[in-house]
Parts: sequence; structure tokens; C-alpha cells
Amino acid sequence: AQKITQTQPGMFVQEKEAVTLDCTYDTSDQSYGLFWYKQPSSGEMIFLIYQGSYDEQNATEGRYSLNFQKARKSANLVISASQLGDSAMYFCAMREESFTGANSKLTFGKGITLSVRP
Amino acid sequence: NAGVTQTPKFQVLKTGQSMTLQCAQDMNHNSMYWYRQDPGMGLRLIYYSASEGTTDKGEVPNGYNVSRLNKREFSLRLESAAPSQTSVYFCASSELGQGSLGAFFGQGTRLTVV
Repeated sequence: AQKITQTQPGMFVQEKEAVTLDCTYDTSDQSYGLFWYKQPSSGEMIFLIYQGSYDEQNATEGRYSLNFQKARKSANLVISASQLGDSAMYFCAMREESFTGANSKLTFGKGITLSVRP
Repeated sequence: NAGVTQTPKFQVLKTGQSMTLQCAQDMNHNSMYWYRQDPGMGLRLIYYSASEGTTDKGEVPNGYNVSRLNKREFSLRLESAAPSQTSVYFCASSELGQGSLGAFFGQGTRLTVV
């Protein structure tokens, strides 16, 4: 069974500094994808970044990067140069990605609240 | 605009009433999902559909039913609403092989059961 764990309590970061949000996962699948989403106070789910289990390089998207350590089953999100608008809830998620498409369950963690201080 | 459309955005039900939440996507995705979001619990999967014609239970399926009407539409039904089903509900869709695009979410439905 899939499981995503986000255990950090509310996180605080100073504007313009970098912050790492932790995510560990558990799965018996060989092929899977890892996602990070941002949910601001307005409530919409905003996709940030994706990492495939067979991708050899860590994913990057602008100020977001994913520190993927497969052996440790961790997929931490790094936000560089934090901005006030980064204050939000952040969710890590995992999806099975078998080639048949028969197992495409997308499972989320409980989320981490990030507050950026001016 | 392409995306996931959920209706309604808000709903108040009395205990025991039934209702159906509608979801449609126009991106030709095979996989669709229904989640509920409660404070401190993250997004919990209710049901998902890996492809047209298939549905599977997620983490919290009790009290809900789903229908994958066609490739575009995936509805969630509450047969007899209970106060414990007060939550924000999200529909989402995604496609294998397009992971870099993420899963697309609807705007959410805020449901209150009194």
C-alpha cells in the first residue's frame, strides 16, 4: 500500500531564504511518480513539480527543486529565495505508474503549512 | 479553458438527504479521482477511476458511490448525507505518461451537512 508522510509542524522561513519541506513515502511499486502541490488560502490546488521514479536527475521548476533520494524513499521540496506569496499549505503526493495503467491511485500526505516572514 | 469542472461549488444538505457531485474534464485523461479535505487530514482519496469503465475504492469510501459515466465525467454520490461528510471535496484527473503536467484539480465543493 502507498503511504506518504509529512511530519513537519508549521514551518517558518525568512523572505529570500531557502526552505526544505520534507516528504517520505512507502510503496512496493517499482514505477511511481512523486508530486508536490501548493494550496494557498484561496483553496485551489496548484501543481508545482513532478519526479518520476526512474528519473536520474532531480526535477527543477524555477525556484522549486525536488531532492529525490530513492534509497531513502524521500522526496523533499526545496524552495529557493522564498517570497511572501509562498505562504501556503504544501502537499506531497505519489502515484503508481504501471505501464498498463491499471493502478493509478494518487495518494496525498497531510500537508505542511509554510509561513514566509518579511 | 481546458481543465476540470466541478459542480456545485457550495452545498448545504440536511442529514439524510442525497446529492450528486458532478465532475467533468476535457483533457482526455484516463484517470479521475475524488478526494475530501478536512483540517489536519490532508486530501484523502474516496474513489478513483483508472480508466473508463473501472472504479476502485480509496482510503475513505464508506457512505459514497461513484459513477464513471464516460471518459469525461466522474460523479460522486452521497445517498444519505451525514454530518461527518461535511468537508471540501475535490475532483482531479491525470494521465500516465504526462506526470510532468501533474494532476489537474477542480475548484472544490464545500459541502455542509446539518
